[in-house]
Amino acid sequence: AQSVTQLGSHVSVSEGALVLLRCNYSSSVPPYLFWYVQYPNQGLQLLLKYTSAATLVKGINGFEAEFKKSETSFHLTKPSAHMSDAAEYFCAVRYGGSQGNLIFGKGTKLSVKP
Amino acid sequence: DSGVTQTPKHLITATGQRVTLRCSPRSGDLSVYWYQQSLDQGLQFLIQYYNGEERAKGNILERFSAQQFPDLHSELNLSSLELGDSALYFCASSADPLSYNEQFFGPGTRLTVL
Repeated sequence: AQSVTQLGSHVSVSEGALVLLRCNYSSSVPPYLFWYVQYPNQGLQLLLKYTSAATLVKGINGFEAEFKKSETSFHLTKPSAHMSDAAEYFCAVRYGGSQGNLIFGKGTKLSVKP
Repeated sequence: DSGVTQTPKHLITATGQRVTLRCSPRSGDLSVYWYQQSLDQGLQFLIQYYNGEERAKGNILERFSAQQFPDLHSELNLSSLELGDSALYFCASSADPLSYNEQFFGPGTRLTVL
């Protein structure tokens, strides 16, 4: 079965430090890949998406992700963390065809220390 | 604001009861998805509708059902509720399930079963 693995349910960084949230997918066929962010008591907001146009994808709020087919990975990074980045981040995949549902990872909760 | 609306925001009910959750997709979106978010299962896809017709089913229990109406709003019906059904239920919409368009999520309905 297709799946998404997010390494680390909790990640803590200092303000100004690099943010790296890991995501690996299981498939021999590259899917469409997404990163969503969920702030407390809110819905999910799209950060960025990979749709095969470019392997390095830039998103909102200074986040970017790089698709690496050889590693089946789509890790999310931000050069300098801000306090407002504290939230839960979800990696999701979607495979082609008529079924458009997303398969989500378990999520990574990001804490930012002052 | 994603443009997807969900009502009610909170719902508290008792075991054995039946509830209906409502979702209005973004203007112009034909596809509606329902997801369940719980602490133990994470974010799980329940069911997808496209222009009034069921398109895909995920981990949806037989006690749960959904439909999409001609005006494209959707309802998720949960019956014979159990304690384990307590969760956050999200609705998402997208323009076309066959494309790589992202899904836009509503704020969710938090269901508490006592």
